Amino acid sequence: KAGVTQTPRYLIKTRGQQVTLSCSPISGHRSVSWYQQTPGQGLQFLFEYFSETQRNKGNFPGRFSGRQFSNSRSEMNVSTLELGDSALYLCASSEEADQPQHFGDGTRLSIL
Amino acid sequence: GENVEQHPSTLSVQEGDSAVIKCTYSDSASNYFPWYKQELGKRPQLIIDIRSNVGEKKDQRIAVTLNKTAKHFSLHITETQPEDSAVYFCAASMVNSGYSTLTFGKGTMLLVSP
Repeated sequence: KAGVTQTPRYLIKTRGQQVTLSCSPISGHRSVSWYQQTPGQGLQFLFEYFSETQRNKGNFPGRFSGRQFSNSRSEMNVSTLELGDSALYLCASSEEADQPQHFGDGTRLSIL
Repeated sequence: GENVEQHPSTLSVQEGDSAVIKCTYSDSASNYFPWYKQELGKRPQLIIDIRSNVGEKKDQRIAVTLNKTAKHFSLHITETQPEDSAVYFCAASMVNSGYSTLTFGKGTMLLVSP
């Protein structure tokens, strides 16, 4: 099976812009979670989707949003970008919520 | 919410030595504890996990132990090799009502010298 695929791998944006990141889960996996990884804060949970429904959300501002499509692919959107949003954004998928999560390579977002 | 503390932040060992990384969690309802290895510039990879109904689990040179009473769990790597050098993350999760959220520790950078 192909692993979790995230696109794009790298993005450079400026403050105030918005960005959309994409995640294709492992075939058959219905749960998709998003995490932000920074050197200072480590890995922090953003949100989790299952069958097109957001089931849980981390402690991030409303500028961070996401959605999941009927084929389980997921997107996350960050609006009004700030310098502090520079991070590696990781997507992880699992068959069900109580099954191990497998990560993609991430999208490295740099804000200038 | 859940809080996971991980120690040490860096660990240097000689090839062939054992390495132990420890994590504590705050929410007694957590019942799933995975460990991930992340090499520089690569994705976190699941290396072993344990559920709360088990006290210990082994996979070749890697083992994880769980003490539910004390709310801590540990990763043990025996006969370390240079390719074990990476950042290791512990995490805790509570599967409740059909969803789970991983709360991660801050990571341990393991350096194995030849």
